[in-house]
Amino acid sequence: QVQLQESGPGLVKPSETLSLICTVSDGSISSYYWSWIRQSPGKGLEWIGDIYVSGNTDYNPSLKSRVTISLDTSKNQFSLKLSSVTAADTAVYFCARHHYSGWPYFTLWGPGTQVTVSS
Amino acid sequence: EIVMTQSPATLSVSPGERATLSCRANQSISSTLAWYQQTPGQAPRLLIFGASTRAAGIPARFSGSGSGTEFTLTISSLQSEDFAVYFCQQYNSWPYTFGQGTKLEIK
Repeated sequence: QVQLQESGPGLVKPSETLSLICTVSDGSISSYYWSWIRQSPGKGLEWIGDIYVSGNTDYNPSLKSRVTISLDTSKNQFSLKLSSVTAADTAVYFCARHHYSGWPYFTLWGPGTQVTVSS
Repeated sequence: EIVMTQSPATLSVSPGERATLSCRANQSISSTLAWYQQTPGQAPRLLIFGASTRAAGIPARFSGSGSGTEFTLTISSLQSEDFAVYFCQQYNSWPYTFGQGTKLEIK
């Protein structure tokens, strides 16, 4: 059964870059779209962006200037980088898989990882 | 950006009773709506997509309806494990957006 697992630092300093990895286990990263989504008490669930195995990406316009999502098929991983973070980026970050059709609703989620932005 | 509004924020219902949750979009999204359930400390779980199609493994007591701008999630006979937070999500247009959630609590 395919599983997703987020990993990365739980604490990031303001103005630095948040970096997270999502590892896909017991399944291939190919042939699916993959997203990053975050959840905070203030903003609720927020879609950050997605990537396809081709490398094509889409980003939320509200974050686009600071976000990079990339994919490593050899490691069955995809990653998130969010630059110039502030306290407003404190959230639980989830990675998720789209429906196999490509439609952007999320059929599989990682457990999430808490990221706090603080000095 | 399409804004999704859920109501009520909190719904108190007794076990065995029916719960009706609402989600409204500020512009038409056809049937491109999904519902998720989230329990504390867990990731959301997909319940419904296409406004009315149950995801794999979701019990028949969960049903979705609506199109355009008005949508409803109905849970026909509440079980103890159904008390959770429910979110709707539109995927008609990018960026994909979520409602703020309805907390379903035991009355």
